[in-house]
Parts: sequence; structure tokens; C-alpha cells
Amino acid sequence: DSGVTQTPKHLITATGQRVTLRCSPRSGDLSVYWYQQSLDQGLQFLIQYYNGEERAKGNILERFSAQQFPDLHSELNLSSLELGDSALYFCASSEGGQGADTQYFGPGTRLTVL
Amino acid sequence: AQSVTQLDSQVPVFEEAPVELRCNYSSSVSVYLFWYVQYPNQGLQLLLKYLSGSTLVKGINGFEAEFNKSQTSFHLRKPSVHISDTAEYFCAVSSNFNKFYFGSGTKLNVKP
Repeated sequence: DSGVTQTPKHLITATGQRVTLRCSPRSGDLSVYWYQQSLDQGLQFLIQYYNGEERAKGNILERFSAQQFPDLHSELNLSSLELGDSALYFCASSEGGQGADTQYFGPGTRLTVL
Repeated sequence: AQSVTQLDSQVPVFEEAPVELRCNYSSSVSVYLFWYVQYPNQGLQLLLKYLSGSTLVKGINGFEAEFNKSQTSFHLRKPSVHISDTAEYFCAVSSNFNKFYFGSGTKLNVKP
């Protein structure tokens, strides 16, 4: 158990809908990262927040947005969902906000878009 | 920009045999290199990482990796694998710019 929690574990929705994925980092960790894992694109870095501020941005679509709240939990919002958004979404956390930091991954949220 | 290439998508190996999982990267800046393992239906777990200093890095579960700057490689090795090592292994690179790039993964299948 990494100490990172993600809810829900599974999510099934329809095209065009909007969903919110939630992540609680390990106690004491200030950074949260979001990743998308799919069969065709592999593991892709989406975005990083550090202590409430956006720190780095990867291949995140404009239809996706994220935020980190004062209690350091984070939410990833996916809107206008398409079939291709079906994937496993991972959250990770780290103590600091540097590229050298060890990231601890949650168990993931499996999103299925029908 | 940085990128990571894992040359083998699948590696079958017999139990107690040695294994090497290959990883090459490209980057125009200094990088940090990582190996993660993903067991079925679980998140990723760090095996080891290279930040600087000694090019031979030892990690958990008996794994080690060697950073080779001239060949831009960071291959993962284990002298004797167990059935429990069956999993998918990901090589990753990051830098001071905080963008993280993962390879496509290598599935290690340890056979009895």
C-alpha cells in the first residue's frame, strides 16, 4: 500500500459526459501527479501540482483539467468524454516538487467510456 | 524534449536465470532515470533511481541498473529471477523541468 488513495476504482460513463476523479496523496506529500495509461499510448504524464499550484504540464487535453485543494487532495476533471478516453488514470504523490523525487502511485481509476 | 525507448515489449525467462531489461533515453539536458514495476491490477512501484554519482544503482528485490551516459542507456538487471518477479517494468526519465516520460513497458514473464 503506497498510501495514495484514488476514488472511484471504476467508472463507466457515456460519450459526451463529464467525470471527476479524486486523489488523496500520502500524508506529508505536497506534490500530486496525474497519469493516463492506455493500451495504445502507454503511460502518459498529464499534469503536476505542488502545494496547490500547477508545476508542470504534459500531454493533457484541453477537455481535461485538474486542481489541488488546500488540504492537498487533487481532482482530475474529464469533460466531453470520447471513446478514446477510456484508460486507467493514476495519481502519484511525492514529498517535494522536483524531477528527482520518488513518486508513490495510487491503485488507479479505470474509466470506461461507452 | 526527452524520450524513453524500451527495446523489448516482452521478455520470457526461466526461474533462477539472469535477466536484463533494456532502456535507452534521449535528452538534451541532464536527466534523472527511474525503473518502476507494475504488478497486475496495481499501481507502479519504484524499483530504483539514478540521480547522480555512481553509475551502478541498486534497488529493491535484488534489481540493479547501470547508467551509461555515452550510450544513453539505463538497463535493468537481476542475476537470478523468481516467479514473483513476473510483472511489467517501466523505465522513466525526468529532469529539472519536471516533465516525466515513461517507456512503453517490458513484460517480464518468469517461467518455472
